[in-house]
Amino acid sequence: EIVMTQSPATLSVSPGERATLSCRASQSVSSKLAWYQQKPGQAPRLLIYGASTRATGIPARFSGSGSGTEFSLTISSLQSEDFAVYYCQQYNNWRTFGQGTKVEIK
Amino acid sequence: EVQLVESGGGLVQPGRSLRLSCAASGFTFDDYGMHWVRQAPGKGPEWVSGISWNSGSIGYADSVKGRFTISRDNAKNSLYLQMNSLRPEDTALYYCAKGPYFDYWGQGTLVTVSS
Repeated sequence: EIVMTQSPATLSVSPGERATLSCRASQSVSSKLAWYQQKPGQAPRLLIYGASTRATGIPARFSGSGSGTEFSLTISSLQSEDFAVYYCQQYNNWRTFGQGTKVEIK
Repeated sequence: EVQLVESGGGLVQPGRSLRLSCAASGFTFDDYGMHWVRQAPGKGPEWVSGISWNSGSIGYADSVKGRFTISRDNAKNSLYLQMNSLRPEDTALYYCAKGPYFDYWGQGTLVTVSS
């Protein structure tokens, strides 16, 4: 089983600032990495797939990078609606989610 | 419009069984692998099981292997999850999701395992 580890667990950021979230895989997943945003009471929402491709309708302030075992999600200028929990997921060998990073208002 | 609608959840005693269903519409169902994902209260999502478009490839999380069985009926655009020997730790909201990465999710069906 591929283990996905996200850091930090919580990120405190002011609106308008940049946020960078990290995700590490226990073995290479190539570029088969997705990022999701989840708000309370909602299903996760796909943001990024293929490590760096934005899903339909996702604003350009969200960007993903990395390959192999190290990945990152950057939100260039945090808006109020971006405060949420973010999960990475590998889909190279079945599926595994990371434990999540909560982005909270500083 | 893509829609995934889960059903079949409920309250069940430990050791009993439950069968979840997911009705899909708005896309060519038999072009895609499908998955079940669960989320316990206050926890992150956990992948449970996946099935390829033609049922030729099936996978399970270690936590459910040997107890849960995934299946699909492409003629009915439906996905299923047979859950046997249920445990309290299986309590969660169960989502079906469209593969390979989960661009569409259902609203979820709640499974509560308790005596």
